[in-house]
Amino acid sequence: AQSVTQPDIHITVSEGASLELRCNYSYGATPYLFWYVQSPGQGLQLLLKYFSGDTLVQGIKGFEAEFKRSQSSFNLRKPSVHWSDAAEYFCAVGAGNSNDYKLSFGAGTTVTVRA
Amino acid sequence: DVKVTQSSRYLVKRTGEKVFLECVQDMDHENMFWYRQDPGLGLRLIYFSYDVKMKEKGDIPEGYSVSREKKERFSLILESASTNQTSMYLCASSPGLVEIPDTQYFGPGTRLTVL
Repeated sequence: AQSVTQPDIHITVSEGASLELRCNYSYGATPYLFWYVQSPGQGLQLLLKYFSGDTLVQGIKGFEAEFKRSQSSFNLRKPSVHWSDAAEYFCAVGAGNSNDYKLSFGAGTTVTVRA
Repeated sequence: DVKVTQSSRYLVKRTGEKVFLECVQDMDHENMFWYRQDPGLGLRLIYFSYDVKMKEKGDIPEGYSVSREKKERFSLILESASTNQTSMYLCASSPGLVEIPDTQYFGPGTRLTVL
């Protein structure tokens, strides 16, 4: 079964600074990988996803993520953070190439943006 | 746009009550999921369904049941609510094999408090 680790529980970043959120996954074959964002009191919104092809994936809201198979990582980045990026971010992994549609989610990273 | 709706944003119930949480999706998706979200634990899968009248247990099914009588509707039932079921409940749907990777789309969540 697949699993996800998000090593950082909470990150504080200044507005305009860059942001990187870490995600490490465990899965024996090629995984499906996702990043979701959750604003306070809301459901989860998909930021981006990866299955194959270019290992640098562009998403919405100016986010990108890079798949590194050798490191089992799928880190999320944004070059310049806006106050509206304050939220909780979840990395998720699914079993690629199978009919198993379940996802395993990390515990989440809360991002605080200071002025 | 995919729309997943949940019947209530906030719900307060008493211990021992039977509780119904309803979820409806409007995109003819094959798969539907129920998660609970607790601080520091991320999202944990309670039940999921790949087809009408079909259901499978997730990671934490104890104390819950589900019903899927129509493709667009997936209900979560707490047979006898307990205080340890106070949580945020998130419903999601995904298209299945027509989209690779299969992507889950989430409702806004129901925050349930059991007194």
